[in-house]
Amino acid sequence: KFMLTQPHSVSESPGKTVAISCTGNSGDIGNNFVQWYQQRPGGAPTTVIFEDSERPSGVPDRFSGSIDTSSNSASLTISGLQTEDEADYYCQSYDGNNRVFGGGTRLTVL
Amino acid sequence: QVHLEESGGGVVQPGRSVRLSCAASGFTFSTYGMHWVRQSPGQGLEWVAAISYDGSETFYGESVKGRCTISRDNSKKTLFLQMDSLKPADTAVYYCAKPHQYYDMRSYFDYWGQGTLVTVSS
Repeated sequence: KFMLTQPHSVSESPGKTVAISCTGNSGDIGNNFVQWYQQRPGGAPTTVIFEDSERPSGVPDRFSGSIDTSSNSASLTISGLQTEDEADYYCQSYDGNNRVFGGGTRLTVL
Repeated sequence: QVHLEESGGGVVQPGRSVRLSCAASGFTFSTYGMHWVRQSPGQGLEWVAAISYDGSETFYGESVKGRCTISRDNSKKTLFLQMDSLKPADTAVYYCAKPHQYYDMRSYFDYWGQGTLVTVSS
């Protein structure tokens, strides 16, 4: 079964840069696109990165995505951290026609 | 303005069924595949099911396969999820989600509803 593993939590100070990893347990993560969703407390998820590294309109360029095929992982990097970035972040890819979500990472900006 | 509104949640006894609805507006519903995603309390997101734009293809997650039926009524711009033989582990907020690209079920989700809570408990 294809799974995506994320760190349970990360924390960093305002203004700094943080990277959240998402590692596949099999296959080649480069074979399917990876999306990243942000979910603030009590809210529905919203997309911050799609197709590995693309940003939807309205998402600041402080958010960036990348793929590292050597480690079979994707990363979401947020630079110039702001308190409003504090949220849960989920990576998502595919297993055939089905979607697979990572377990989520809670980002604390302190 | 795209809007997705789920309904049908509530408290359901184990072993019973529930039918969730998602009313869509603000886009040409009949040209988009649609998805259900759920989130158990305090837990992560879990993809549940998807249906093609015309209803001819359906896909299910492993944890609900055989107990779940996704369907749609394009004339009423409504998506459905029928869940049978409910278990406490099915307790979750159920979201409907719209892919960004029409006719492309694998496109990223650009709109989500606010979700409807299903609680499976005796």
